[in-house]
Amino acid sequence: AQKITQTQPGMFVQEKEAVTLDCTYDTSDPSYGLFWYKQPSSGEMIFLIYQGSYDQQNATEGRYSLNFQKARKSANLVISASQLGDSAMYFCAMRADMNTGFQKLVFGTGTRLLVSP
Amino acid sequence: EADIYQTPRYLVIGTGKKITLECSQTMGHDKMYWYQQDPGMELHLIHYSYGVNSTEKGDLSSESTVSRIRTEHFPLTLESARPSHTSQYLCASSELYPGAEAFFGQGTRLTVV
Repeated sequence: AQKITQTQPGMFVQEKEAVTLDCTYDTSDPSYGLFWYKQPSSGEMIFLIYQGSYDQQNATEGRYSLNFQKARKSANLVISASQLGDSAMYFCAMRADMNTGFQKLVFGTGTRLLVSP
Repeated sequence: EADIYQTPRYLVIGTGKKITLECSQTMGHDKMYWYQQDPGMELHLIHYSYGVNSTEKGDLSSESTVSRIRTEHFPLTLESARPSHTSQYLCASSELYPGAEAFFGQGTRLTVV
């Protein structure tokens, strides 16, 4: 079975500073993918970044980067130069069993990020 | 820009009523999902489908049912709504390849009174 753990219920950061949101995962499958989503108060889920288990380099997308440490089974999201609009819930998710017919997308409990001026 | 739509956006309904939450996507995705999410909490997978005429139950037991008669349409039905069904329901779709991101609809906030 696969499991995602996000241990930070809430995080605070000042505008323009960087922040790291933690995510650890557990799976016995060697092939898996890790995703981060942002959920503003309006409720929609916005895809931010993806890292495959066989990707050699850490993924980056604009101000978002993923600090992937395979041996530690962690996939932390780093947001650089925080903006007020970054205030939202952030979810880490994993899709395992990549070589089977269907791969379920399993989510962690989320981290609420608050960016202050 | 994701092309996945959920209706209604908000629904308040009485106990015992039958309801159907609609979800449609125009991206031709084979995989579709329904998640249930209480405010500020994690998403729980309740149903998924990997194509027409295929539906499976997810990790969280749900009294709802789904159907997949057309690729683009994945409705969720509650035969008899109860206050315990009050939650947000999120529909998502993705392509088949393993690294494909899931695109989400805006969700339906259901309140059963």
